[in-house]
Amino acid sequence: QQQVKQSPQSLIVQKGGISIINCAYENTAFDYFPWYQQFPGKGPALLIAIRPDVSEKKEGRFTISFNKSAKQFSLHIMDSQPGDSATYFCAASIGGNEKLTFGTGTRLTIIP
Amino acid sequence: GAVVSQHPSWVICKSGTSVKIECRSLDFQATTMFWYRQFPKQSLMLMATSNEGSKATYEQGVEKDKFLINHASLTLSTLTVTSAHPEDSSFYICSASYSARPSSYNEQFFGPGTRLTVL
Repeated sequence: QQQVKQSPQSLIVQKGGISIINCAYENTAFDYFPWYQQFPGKGPALLIAIRPDVSEKKEGRFTISFNKSAKQFSLHIMDSQPGDSATYFCAASIGGNEKLTFGTGTRLTIIP
Repeated sequence: GAVVSQHPSWVICKSGTSVKIECRSLDFQATTMFWYRQFPKQSLMLMATSNEGSKATYEQGVEKDKFLINHASLTLSTLTVTSAHPEDSSFYICSASYSARPSSYNEQFFGPGTRLTVL
C-alpha cells in the first residue's frame, strides 16, 4: 500500500514536444506529491510539488495534474528541451511523517 | 538557499574496512536527515531517518549494526558503513528537511550523493 507506481520506464520526446510521466498510488493517506529531477551521478532536485487540495499546479514549463479520485498524478513538461533529458521520480509522503516513497523513475530523452 | 553537501563525493575501499560519509546542511538547520541508497538505474530506497540528538529509525531490512548513523548536530549527519563488502557498493544520498519553514511542506533537500565502491 506504500507503493507508488510510475510509468513509462523510459520516454523519448522530440524537442519542443510535451513529455508526460504518470504515477499512481494506493495509500489515500498520502498528502504531498513531489517530482524530482536527477542527472547522472547527482542527487535528485525538487522540480515541483502538489498537495491534494488542488488539481493542477504549474511552474514555468512544468505542470502537475492531480486526480484524487483516481489516485493518480502526472508531470507534464511543455516545450521539452535537450537539457530536460534526465531521470524523473515521482514521490509521495504523509503529512507529519516526512518519509518519501519514490516511484521507479522515468528516463527521459529529448531528441533534436 | 537550502544547500546540502556530502563528503566524500566518491570513495573506493577494500572489503572489510569501514567508510564514513558526511552529510551537511550548509545554510539551514535540519531537524530531520534521511539516508538513501540507490543502485544503478534504480530508484532511491530509504535506509533510515535521523533526528538530531536521537537514535536513527531504520527501514525494514536495513542492518543498523552495519549502517551506523549519527546525527550529532542540526547541520551534520554521518553514515558509517562498517565492514564493507562488494554488495555494499552503491550511490548513497542524504537529504535534509526542516518542518518549521511555513511555505514548504515536508520539502527535502538532497545532497549530491557519494559513490561507494568496495573492492
